[in-house]
Amino acid sequence: DIQMTQSPSSLSASVGDRVTITCRASQDIRNELGWFQQKPGKAPKRLIYAASSLQSGVPSRFSGTGSGTEFTLTISSLQSEDFATYYCLQHNTDPWTFGQGTTVEIK
Amino acid sequence: QVQLVQSGAEVKKPGSSVKVSCTASGGTFNSYAVNWVRQAPGLGLEWMGRIIPIFGTTYYAQRFQGRVTFTADKSTSTAYMELTSLTSEDTAIYFCACLLDYWGQGSLVTVSS
Repeated sequence: DIQMTQSPSSLSASVGDRVTITCRASQDIRNELGWFQQKPGKAPKRLIYAASSLQSGVPSRFSGTGSGTEFTLTISSLQSEDFATYYCLQHNTDPWTFGQGTTVEIK
Repeated sequence: QVQLVQSGAEVKKPGSSVKVSCTASGGTFNSYAVNWVRQAPGLGLEWMGRIIPIFGTTYYAQRFQGRVTFTADKSTSTAYMELTSLTSEDTAIYFCACLLDYWGQGSLVTVSS
């Protein structure tokens, strides 16, 4: 199975901060990676698909980069509604695998 | 726009089975896969596998093979996930998702004696 190592597991940040989350794949997954946001008690919501494409309706402060084995999700200016848990998901190879998640908390 | 509506919460005894449904309203699954993802309390997301309803083809993550069955009823645009031999470790919220953009609201399954 492809292992997705996500870091950090949690971070504290303030409104307006720039936040970066990283996922590293144990083997080449090309650009077959998505980023998801999940709020407590809710289903995940995809923010980024194909590693760097912004889902329709998602604010432009979210961006994704990377290919191969290294990927990042950046929130350019954190807003109050962005405090949540973020996951990466590789769908290059079965079984699909998620990163462990990054919880973004209010500092 | 497709909405996925899942069945309600269930409480099951260890060793029993549970069957969760996922119905597409406002559309159909068409030829898209329905993925099943679960989340144990306080933990991360875990992909269980998928079914392509129009063909009935399935893929199961190895850790669930032999215990999980995905089925689909094309006439009602409903997908099902059945998990057998339940243990307390199967206590989780189970989500269905189509195209990874349309998600059900989740179904809480609690396994307790």
